This record gives sequence, C-alpha cells and structure tokens, in this order.
Amino acid sequence: QVQLQESGPGLVKPSETLSLTCTVSGASISSYYWSWIRQSPGKGLEWIGNIYYSGSTNYNPSLRSRVTISVDTSQNQFSLKLTSVTAADTALYYCARRGSGAWFESWGQGSPVTVSS
Amino acid sequence: QSALTQPASVSTSPGQSITIFCTGTTSDIGSYNLVSWYQQHPDKAPKLLIYEVSKRPSGVSTRFSGSKSGNTASLTISGLQAEDEADYYCCSYTVSSTYVVFGGGTKLTVL
Repeated sequence: QVQLQESGPGLVKPSETLSLTCTVSGASISSYYWSWIRQSPGKGLEWIGNIYYSGSTNYNPSLRSRVTISVDTSQNQFSLKLTSVTAADTALYYCARRGSGAWFESWGQGSPVTVSS
Repeated sequence: QSALTQPASVSTSPGQSITIFCTGTTSDIGSYNLVSWYQQHPDKAPKLLIYEVSKRPSGVSTRFSGSKSGNTASLTISGLQAEDEADYYCCSYTVSSTYVVFGGGTKLTVL
C-alpha cells in the first residue's frame, strides 16, 4: 500500500520560497502521476500541479509563474517549490498520487505552512 | 469561491440515506465522466470514495455511491453511521487549464 509523507518548514517569510518534499513508500515513483494540492480555509482545495516520473509537469495557471515541481526517482521523492510567497499561500499542503484519470487516490497527511514574518 | 457548487452542510439521522449534490458546468461535470468524491475527517487527509462518477476504490463501503446527470454529480450515502460524519468534496476534470476543480465541501452531520 502506497504511503506518502510530506516534509519541510512550517514557517516561511513573505517573499521567500516555500519548499516541500514528498517521500513515497510502498510503491515506485517511477509510474503514475504525482500531485501537490493545498487546502486553505479561504479557498478550499486547490490543485497546484502534477509531475510524471519522467519529469513532465503541468501546473495550475494561477500559480504557474511561481511553481516548480521536480522528481528524484533515486530517492523515490518529488518536491514542490513556490516562490515569492505571501500570506495567501498559507495552507495545508498535500502530496498525492494521481489515478489514471483526474482523481487523487492516495494522499499524504498534509504539511501545514504558514507565511509570516 | 469554488468552481463546483456544493451545499455547505447537510444533516440527517443514523440509518437514513442522504444525497449530496455538486453542480458544475459544461466545461467540467457536464462533459466528462471524471468526477471524484472525497471524505475528510477532522485533521485527516482526504480519502478517495468515488472516481469516474460511480466507481469505488477497493475497500470503500458499498454504502457510498455516485452518479451524474447533466452538469450535476451526486454522492449518496446509505445506512448512515456516526463515522460518516465528515466533510465531503467533489472534484471534476475541467477543460480549462486548471485541470481539475473542487467543490467547496459539504459538512455532513449525523444527528
């Protein structure tokens, strides 16, 4: 059974870069699409982007200019970087495994990130 | 404001059935059979209940069922139990470049 675990700083200063890593266990990252999704009280669930193990990505247009998702198959991990953060980026960030279609079949427990000075 | 519209809250009694509706547009629910539903208990990650409108992943109770008509998808929970008290979110593929859109979530209370 696949398990996902997010890790990274819980506090990021405004204008800096948010960095999170998702470690996948119980399955090889070298198949499926992998996603980042965030949840905030103000905006609910918001898809951030997907990555395939080959490195191909697609991003939410509202975040595309600030987002980079990358994969490290040797570590069975994928990562999220979000630049120039503001308070609006404060949220619970989830990593997830995408199904063969547009659904998310396994989720990490979530990593809370607060943007504050 | 979420792209898909769900009621903010619903409530019912144990043993009853309830249907949660999720309304979208012809750009998402109306044009694609890629609707999914998620259950989220407090301080827990969302759990996939339904995908492709009506399919259940292995391990999900048959008390959960999904359907779609036009631009509206629905999740029906039968034989409600106290453990079903949670937030429920719908999600759909969308032709727009946002890839998927979520509903705002429905808080189910089992009285």
